[in-house]
Amino acid sequence: NAGVTQTPKFQVLKTGQSMTLQCAQDMNHEYMSWYRQDPGMGLRLIHYSVGAGITDQGEVPNGYNVSRSTTEDFPLRLLSAAPSQTSVYFCASSSGFTGFNEQFFGPGTRLTVL
Amino acid sequence: AQTVTQSQPEMSVQEAETVTLSCTYDTSESDYYLFWYKQPPSRQMILVIRQEAYKQQNATENRFSVNFQKAAKSFSLKISDSQLGDAAMYFCAYRWEGDNNDMRFGAGTRLTVKP
Repeated sequence: NAGVTQTPKFQVLKTGQSMTLQCAQDMNHEYMSWYRQDPGMGLRLIHYSVGAGITDQGEVPNGYNVSRSTTEDFPLRLLSAAPSQTSVYFCASSSGFTGFNEQFFGPGTRLTVL
Repeated sequence: AQTVTQSQPEMSVQEAETVTLSCTYDTSESDYYLFWYKQPPSRQMILVIRQEAYKQQNATENRFSVNFQKAAKSFSLKISDSQLGDAAMYFCAYRWEGDNNDMRFGAGTRLTVKP
């Protein structure tokens, strides 16, 4: 049981480039989400999904796209990278939508945009 | 919008001693959930403890306990018998079902444990 996995662990992009951050979970969780973590701030929600084919925006969605074609995978796409997107990105999943369910986090991807 | 405030950017504690990390939050809701997460240098976010707002009894997990004061909107974390492995960033978080299940995090407190 690998839990939540993310690839890559580190990535450097140039301004304007696009890329996809991968996230997968093997716990059959319906709820998945993407957060970004910036220095001096807590994690902020980018996008989330309550099941395959269903996604919605979080607090800071601009510049990012998501899709959920399977229960296991929830990729995050940066359409045209900007220096403001330099951050650490975390994917998380939980077994239900109720607030008390524990969210399991991946190890994070550190992204630098030059 | 719900906000979570951790007023202590850094704290330190002597090994085997007790330390309390502070957290306050702002909400107009009555039913919500509160969490403490630990983030060691590996970056992995680990759930330490959680509390349901409708429960008056404070949650406890081994050496970790909370002091939940609903009227004061305060949710502090107490770590007893501190160990070197407790050194990490600690994040307080709030979650309300009606807000798209968005988990709101504080800015974190960096805990150092001195041997």
